Amino acid sequence: DAGVTQSPTHLIKTRGQQVTLRCSPISGHKSVSWYQQVLGQGPQFIFQYYEKEERGRGNFPDRFSARQFPNYSSELNVNALLLGDSALYLCASSLSASGGADTQYFGPGTRLTVL
Amino acid sequence: AQSVTQLGSHVSVSEGALVLLRCNYSSSVPPYLFWYVQYPNQGLQLLLKYTSAATLVKGINGFEAEFKKSETSFHLTKPSAHMSDAAEYFCAVRWGSTLGRLYFGRGTQLTVWP
Repeated sequence: DAGVTQSPTHLIKTRGQQVTLRCSPISGHKSVSWYQQVLGQGPQFIFQYYEKEERGRGNFPDRFSARQFPNYSSELNVNALLLGDSALYLCASSLSASGGADTQYFGPGTRLTVL
Repeated sequence: AQSVTQLGSHVSVSEGALVLLRCNYSSSVPPYLFWYVQYPNQGLQLLLKYTSAATLVKGINGFEAEFKKSETSFHLTKPSAHMSDAAEYFCAVRWGSTLGRLYFGRGTQLTVWP
């Protein structure tokens, strides 16, 4: 079975631009979460979506937004890019949004570089 | 505040030696605990998770971790390191009040010398 897929794998943008990252969850998984991993640090939670509704949001500015589609795929949008947005953006899928011991399975990530 | 601490950003061991990667979490309320591994230019792969069924958890690739409530710790061990274990390891914690959100430590880079 296919794992979590993300596109594109790499992206280079300039300050002030906007970017859209895409994620397809594992078949049967209804929840998608997004994390930002800055070089040398652990992933930081950005959003969680379940059944097209936002179920959680981390401490990120309103320039970050996301949505989930009826097929459970998801997009992460970042507006007015800053140099500090350069990071690996990870998508994770899980069966539910209830947490607990539910495992999140991660995709390979999208490497965003802002110049 | 909920936090996860990984002691030692870099750990180096010889091939065949014991691997010990440390993880401590805040809060006296037992959370759900996970260890993930990240190879260069890849996403995160689950090694093991604690679900309160047993305090000693066995994972993939010969890794195991022990939950110690009194020490609020969940250290990762492997009896004998292999060259292929060289990677970055992340401890992650989820509390019941945070639903699906995972809190990650800063990571520990494991180097294995021949």
